Amino acid sequence: EDQVTQSPEALRLQEGESSSLNCSYTVSGLRGLFWYRQDPGKGPEFLFTLYSAGEEKEKERLKATLTKKESFLHITAPKPEDSATYLCAVVDAGNMLTFGGGTRLMVKP
Amino acid sequence: EPEVTQTPSHQVTQMGQEVILHCVPISNHLYFYWYRQILGQKVEFLVSFYNNEISEKSEIFDDQFSVERPDGSNFTLKIRSTKLEDSAMYFCASSEQFYGYTFGSGTRLTVV
Repeated sequence: EDQVTQSPEALRLQEGESSSLNCSYTVSGLRGLFWYRQDPGKGPEFLFTLYSAGEEKEKERLKATLTKKESFLHITAPKPEDSATYLCAVVDAGNMLTFGGGTRLMVKP
Repeated sequence: EPEVTQTPSHQVTQMGQEVILHCVPISNHLYFYWYRQILGQKVEFLVSFYNNEISEKSEIFDDQFSVERPDGSNFTLKIRSTKLEDSAMYFCASSEQFYGYTFGSGTRLTVV
């Protein structure tokens, strides 16, 4: 059974204070690892897909990396508008996403 | 940018009643999904649908649940006899292939 664990559960940062979110996974035959952003009362918003160990993707202040056991979402110089829950999910041989519990990020001005 | 549209945004129903949640996936997508998120818990997979049939379903998706694509644009989730524990956000998603899932904004279902 696929398992996805995210840490920390919650993270408070000052504006401009860079940090990283972790996603550890156990999956047989990883086809892809996804990062989503979720705002309160909204659906997950797609950020990145990573397919193989060593791959990196960047978008504005966010950078996602992937190893064989975990993925990191690095946030550089965050702003208050980056406050959200960040979700990690994996896809194996099937077509369904298995989600982690998310990291709730709060960025204070 | 193309969107997945879900209606209604909030549905309140009596326990034991049937509800139908509506979704309009992105027009050129071939795969359709329903997920749910109970308040404070993980997003959970319910069912995937491809080529007019269910391709995968989870243990949650029991006989009280069904999905349908009644026409070329809509994708519905029906819960036949709602229970209190069915209260959750229900998200529809679509994708061209296994990557690039796009989620809708969800329907908040409250069973009273």
